[in-house]
Amino acid sequence: EPEVTQTPSHQVTQMGQEVILRCVPISNHLYFYWYRQILGQKVEFLVSFYNNEISEKSEIFDDQFSVERPDGSNFTLKIRSTKLEDSAMYFCASSVRPYGYTFGSGTRLTVV
Amino acid sequence: GQQVMQIPQYQHVQEGEDFTTYCNSSTTLSNIQWYKQRPGGHPVFLIQLVKSGEVKKQKRLTFQFGEAKKNSSLHITATQTTDVGTYFCAGQRAAGNKLTFGGGTRVLVKP
Repeated sequence: EPEVTQTPSHQVTQMGQEVILRCVPISNHLYFYWYRQILGQKVEFLVSFYNNEISEKSEIFDDQFSVERPDGSNFTLKIRSTKLEDSAMYFCASSVRPYGYTFGSGTRLTVV
Repeated sequence: GQQVMQIPQYQHVQEGEDFTTYCNSSTTLSNIQWYKQRPGGHPVFLIQLVKSGEVKKQKRLTFQFGEAKKNSSLHITATQTTDVGTYFCAGQRAAGNKLTFGGGTRVLVKP
């Protein structure tokens, strides 16, 4: 069964550093998303991406965050100048239609 | 903004028993989706409900969408240890809009 692949599985970074979280969505999917989940809490929407542009973003997704689909297969989330409160599990998801997402296994980001 | 709430937050169930988890949205939804997240895992799509009053079944799981399209429920019969995990409902105000997740119901099964 096709999977959404995320790397790395765990990233530890110093506060103030930049991180790039990488995702390879399922190849025939058209809609791409980033969500995050602080340990034990709800899954929070960050951004959706369709047709090579952001279609919607949350209040969390401020100037500190950016997304790119640089080569038609990868989908990246960049966090500039990380803060302690950015520590969370970051999930990438993709879908053929705008529902029924397939989530990746996540990247656990720890900011120290 | 849109809020999606789920109760109960935790559900301790004896193996073999039934239980129901409830989901309520602050706004009318275009559709509601249910996901299951095993401990340490990622959310896995279970089902989407679109029509008012819709009921769908997947083996021992029964999903219902309210008439007003603001609430939903998931009923599991004859709970098994494989049902352990957190069940999230997630709503969209319009098709293609962001998916807003509820807080989840964490299900623990006592053998």
